[in-house]
Amino acid sequence: DTGVSQDPRHKITKRGQNVTFRCDPISEHNRLYWYRQTLGQGPEFLTYFQNEAQLEKSRLLSDRFSAERPKGSFSTLEIQRTEQGDSAMYLCASSSYRGRVEKLFFGSGTQLSVL
Amino acid sequence: GNSVTQMEGPVTLSEEAFLTINCTYTATGYPSLFWYVQYPGEGLQLLLKATKADDKGSNKGFEATYRKETTSFHLEKGSVQVSDSAVYFCALTMLYNQGGKLIFGQGTELSVKP
Repeated sequence: DTGVSQDPRHKITKRGQNVTFRCDPISEHNRLYWYRQTLGQGPEFLTYFQNEAQLEKSRLLSDRFSAERPKGSFSTLEIQRTEQGDSAMYLCASSSYRGRVEKLFFGSGTQLSVL
Repeated sequence: GNSVTQMEGPVTLSEEAFLTINCTYTATGYPSLFWYVQYPGEGLQLLLKATKADDKGSNKGFEATYRKETTSFHLEKGSVQVSDSAVYFCALTMLYNQGGKLIFGQGTELSVKP
């Protein structure tokens, strides 16, 4: 399977700990997105990259959150000093942007539970 | 701000029933509209899209028409199957070159019984 993969699938942590998630996009895709989804809600945009450049960050992304995409391949999303309100599904998506309306391919997500 | 509103779920139908899931949007400008589907245990998948008024998106027997006058993009299928059981998300994007920056509705869960 050459879809978008995310690791881990589930993460349980204690409040105040740092966590890091990884996303491996489809190999030829130049854009990579992070979304957050809470129970009963649709995904909310967090940030996106074109190649290695982070082009936009949502105001939802507080300074405790940082995302990187070194070398324009995989991406990591780190949350420092986690809070219970950070509990959510974190979704990664990738696309091959060629100046047209994009089709996003989503991973299955990382479910974070902060105790 | 820009937003998407979907009908509340869950929606429970018998196999071969007609499906409508309502979606309305609020946007300053002319968005592109999408339906994404999330099957149990899987990632979201694009189901169909429409990029301008009166466009009809269609895929796998599902259809939705971009209605600018009613700011709606309702999803329809003439005869649902058990395999259509999933959560359906309506979404929009405002910027042609940031088409991956989507605004989603809250999702509508569909359950189809044999």
